[in-house]
Amino acid sequence: NAGVTQTPKFQVLKTGQSMTLQCAQDMNHNSMYWYRQDPGMGLRLIYYSASEGTTDKGEVPNGYNVSRLNKREFSLRLESAAPSQTSVYFCASSESGTPSFYGYTFGSGTRLTVV
Amino acid sequence: AQSVTQLGSHVSVSEGALVLLRCNYSSSVPPYLFWYVQYPNQGLQLLLKYTSAATLVKGINGFEAEFKKSETSFHLTKPSAHMSDAAEYFCAVSSNSGGSNYKLTFGKGTLLTVNP
Repeated sequence: NAGVTQTPKFQVLKTGQSMTLQCAQDMNHNSMYWYRQDPGMGLRLIYYSASEGTTDKGEVPNGYNVSRLNKREFSLRLESAAPSQTSVYFCASSESGTPSFYGYTFGSGTRLTVV
Repeated sequence: AQSVTQLGSHVSVSEGALVLLRCNYSSSVPPYLFWYVQYPNQGLQLLLKYTSAATLVKGINGFEAEFKKSETSFHLTKPSAHMSDAAEYFCAVSSNSGGSNYKLTFGKGTLLTVNP
């Protein structure tokens, strides 16, 4: 089925460790996004990529880096994990320009715990 | 900057009762507005959206929302709640970060519980 695929689904890290969250979409969308979800905080934008080759900071970028590897893939890297980065991370994609008829398509999330 | 306020972090209704989830937005330009639903341990699914066409928008699973510019509101309703409607609901507004690039700003969510 077409959609957004995130890996891994679950991860436990120790403080100071690094890891990369992977995201891939097969809908030929131009724009991709990384959000984090925390209880009572809704979803907050970390980074986004309007098109292949461009990335921009969102609301909460500190402690993260991203790479738009190609049109399909957009990865999120934690260089030195901290307990404050314990969260559920969602990747999403959309067509560029005005919001697509189908809105944004979300992946199923990565649940990250930093101990 | 655009923002969204969802009134009530938790709403509880009886099965068969009216569902009303409130959303107010702030935007300096005509907004695009969305409602998403998240079932436990899943990603977000689009329920419905407003993109400056009809002010009453119908979505999936019997939900609808009405855009009221004068009240800056986009409340979500369903005439009769079903047990399967229990989930968290997010209102979102699109913001243009420049040129043709849009990104969503989400409210903090409303958890809907449905009692038998």
